[in-house]
Amino acid sequence: AQSVTQPDIHITVSEGASLELRCNYSYGATPYLFWYVQSPGQGLQLLLKYFSGDTLVQGIKGFEAEFKRSQSSFNLRKPSVHWSDAAEYFCAVGAGNNDMRFGAGTRLTVKP
Amino acid sequence: GAGVSQSPSNKVTEKGKDVELRCDPISGHTALYWYRQSLGQGLEFLIYFQGNSAPDKSGLPSDRFSAERTGGSVSTLTIQRTQQEDSAVYLCASSLGGAGNTIYFGEGSWLTVV
Repeated sequence: AQSVTQPDIHITVSEGASLELRCNYSYGATPYLFWYVQSPGQGLQLLLKYFSGDTLVQGIKGFEAEFKRSQSSFNLRKPSVHWSDAAEYFCAVGAGNNDMRFGAGTRLTVKP
Repeated sequence: GAGVSQSPSNKVTEKGKDVELRCDPISGHTALYWYRQSLGQGLEFLIYFQGNSAPDKSGLPSDRFSAERTGGSVSTLTIQRTQQEDSAVYLCASSLGGAGNTIYFGEGSWLTVV
C-alpha cells in the first residue's frame, strides 16, 4: 500500500518567516497528493491537492505545494507565516481508488 | 446532513468493555474511512470502504477491532474488550468514489478507556 513520510515532527518559525514542510511518499503509480491542516481543537481541513497537470498547486491561506516526481516529494510552502498558521499539518497520498494514507504530521509553532 | 457526523463525540469506558462508534457519511459519498489519532500521534489508517468492494481492513490493529458499513451508508466501528492503549480520537471521513477526490472528516469520537 502507499505510504507517506513527514520527516519533521515539530518545526518552529518566526512570524513573517518562510515555511517549508517536507513530505515524501511511496506509491507505485501516479499519486494523488494532499495537504490537510488540523488547528487546535478543530477538525481536519483540506489545504490543497495535486491531481494532475501543473506540479505547483496553490491552496487556501496562501499555501502552495510542489510535486516532484523524481524526488517522490510534495513539500508544502508559505512565503510568510502568520501566527494563525500554528497547527498540525498532514500530508496524504491517495491511490487510484481513493484509498488514502496519511503521514505522522508536522506540528508548526509560530514565534512572535 | 451537510457534513460527516460521528457519535458519540466523547466516550469513557471501563477496560474490558465493548464500545461502538458510529459514522454517518456525507450523503452520496461512496467511500468511507476510519482513522485513529492518539495523543501527539499522526493519523493511523484503520479501514476503508468503497462502494460494494471488499473493505481494506489492513490497518485494524487487532482482532478486537471490526467495522461494518450497512447499506453503503452508515458505518460502525466496534472495539471489543477495550484496553487502555485504545484511548484515542477515532476519526471518520468520507469522499466521492474515484481518484483524487477530497475526503471530508468528521469531528471525531474521543474514546477514553479507564
